[in-house]
Amino acid sequence: AQSVTQLDSHVSVSEGTPVLLRCNYSSSYSPSLFWYVQHPNKGLQLLLKYTSAATLVKGINGFEAEFKKSETSFHLTKPSAHMSDAAEYFCVVSKNDMRFGAGTRLTVKP
Amino acid sequence: ETGVTQTPRHLVMGMTNKKSLKCEQHLGHNAMYWYKQSAKKPLELMFVYNFKEQTENNSVPSRFSPECPNSSHLFLHLHTLQPEDSALYLCASSLLLAGGGTGELFFGEGSRLTVL
Repeated sequence: AQSVTQLDSHVSVSEGTPVLLRCNYSSSYSPSLFWYVQHPNKGLQLLLKYTSAATLVKGINGFEAEFKKSETSFHLTKPSAHMSDAAEYFCVVSKNDMRFGAGTRLTVKP
Repeated sequence: ETGVTQTPRHLVMGMTNKKSLKCEQHLGHNAMYWYKQSAKKPLELMFVYNFKEQTENNSVPSRFSPECPNSSHLFLHLHTLQPEDSALYLCASSLLLAGGGTGELFFGEGSRLTVL
């Protein structure tokens, strides 16, 4: 069985400050892990994915995530938030099917 | 251009109407999905089609009827819906992996449904 938990339902940061969105997963096997972003009234867009290669994964728009097996975590980070980063972010774990987290809403203050 | 196109983008219907949502993918994928996204709720997987065959139906009410005529097209037929069915309906596609499981999902922009 596999599952994913996004530890924060809402994160608020100021523009130009770092972003940290936390995700913990549970899986019996080595899973694939993804982060998706959803802007208002839009579909989900893939930010980055981990598929058992390098543990530090770089994605689009300056985001990256680090796979830590010992901590069963796959946290999403960005060094400097931009107003356009305000959106909903979903962590996903996949082995035989895909399980979505409940989402984290990121607010960026000017 | 996301490669997955959904129409219509917005739909308003009465409870006695019959309508359909359409999804088309141009990515050569062999799996397609319908998800329901309601306000303040997690994303809900509704149906999965692998190679045009339905492989998953997550206890979805029969007033939602999917159809997958080929690997590129997916429909969701709607009839006698309830106001609580108002939501964003997202279509996605993916490539099934040789060893089992699936690659990443590619999503359409969604169809916003309002049931009056």
